[in-house]
Formats: sequence, C-alpha cells, structure tokens
Amino acid sequence: QSVLTQPPSASGTPGQRVTISCSGSDSNIRSNYVYWYQQLPGTAPKLLIYRNNQRPSGVPDRFSGSKSGTSASLAISGLRSEDEADYYCAAWDDSLIGSVFGGGTKLTVL
Amino acid sequence: QLQLQESGPGLVKPSETLPLTCTVSGGSIRSSVYSWGWIRQPPGKGLEWIGSLYYTGKTYYNPSLKSRVTVSVDTSKNQLSLKLTSVTAADTAVYYCARHEGDLGPYFGYWGQGSLVTVSS
Repeated sequence: QSVLTQPPSASGTPGQRVTISCSGSDSNIRSNYVYWYQQLPGTAPKLLIYRNNQRPSGVPDRFSGSKSGTSASLAISGLRSEDEADYYCAAWDDSLIGSVFGGGTKLTVL
Repeated sequence: QLQLQESGPGLVKPSETLPLTCTVSGGSIRSSVYSWGWIRQPPGKGLEWIGSLYYTGKTYYNPSLKSRVTVSVDTSKNQLSLKLTSVTAADTAVYYCARHEGDLGPYFGYWGQGSLVTVSS
C-alpha cells in the first residue's frame, strides 16, 4: 500500500489529453513539492516534472503538472504512442521523514 | 555528462548482506550541492525509496528499512554504496542509484541503469 495513491491504469487515443492523479495527505503533497517520473519499459525512471509544475530541459511542454491541496495531477496533451509508459508521482513526507512514491499508473495509448 | 553505474552480486542468499556500489563518472560525488540516493523496484512492482545521503552529511532512510540499511560514500573512488542486511526474498528487486538535484525529497535528475538483485538460496 503506497503512501501516495495513483490509479493503476489510464488510457487514451493519439492526440487526446490524459490526466493522471496522485492523492496524498497534509504531511506530503500539501506541505512539499511533487515530482513526476516516466518509466519506459525496461528502462530507469526519468524525471518528468519537478517542484509541482516545472519541466526539466528536454521534456516536451505536452507534459504539465499541477497541485491543489493534498492532490496532484500530471497532464499529457497531444498523446503519442511513445508516451506509453508507467508514471509515478513522488513527494517528501514530513511525518515519515523520507521520500514516498505513488504506486504508479500504467498509461496505454490505444 | 554525468553517468551512474550500479554493480552488485546479482544473487544473494537469504539472511545475508546485500552490497551494492554505484560508480559516478563525469562528475564528483564529493559536492556541497548534490546528494545521492538509492531506490528499488521489485519485479513488476512500483518504486520504493530506500535512503539518501545528503550533502550535509546527514542520511535519511525509509522507516521500513532503516534497521537494515546503510548508505555511504567513498570519495576516493567516487562511489556510493548501499548495504542491506538480513535479506529475504522480498528484497529481490532492481536497485537504482540516483542523484538528488538539490531539494530535500525525491528530486532525482540522474539515474543509473539499475542492478537486478535476486535473493534466493
């Protein structure tokens, strides 16, 4: 059971906009930054969004992050087949005094 | 370009200690800015943070693993190490090392490719 809750799966068709949710609590999402990672099959995770809504250099602006209260979301617009991957949210937890990850969401591009 | 490369035994027997090393190239592990961490992923499952060594010298560990984990650096070899004691089959996973990009939290900008460790007799 992960501290941060994500839907196990999501799907969309090419060109569509998809959002993935991440639900937490006061001790993690409300109080701290949220990060998002993309993990393509058989590869290491890649930082997609940092500090709630910032994109590292090289990440397309099709990817965007937001946070409100104890929840966060990752939005992917103009969905492409290469976006098919597992997506994880993460945050620092003040109560656990450590980093926590969501359980991951498998995105399927139909 | 910073590169991280994990190395380890591949197979560890139950109750033994799992030793992993992460060799950093293209940059110094001794930094007053960057911190380093370990994350693992059991086969077919999600990511789990193991622990981190911050540039301040302080270590933080996952409470569920804290009694069994040690994260340290060898600056002479530019390496990060992980020791996990009393392993069981539940510790079978791909182990990643990663660099923190400044924040106290899961802000990992660089990752190694991962090292699969299987716990089995």
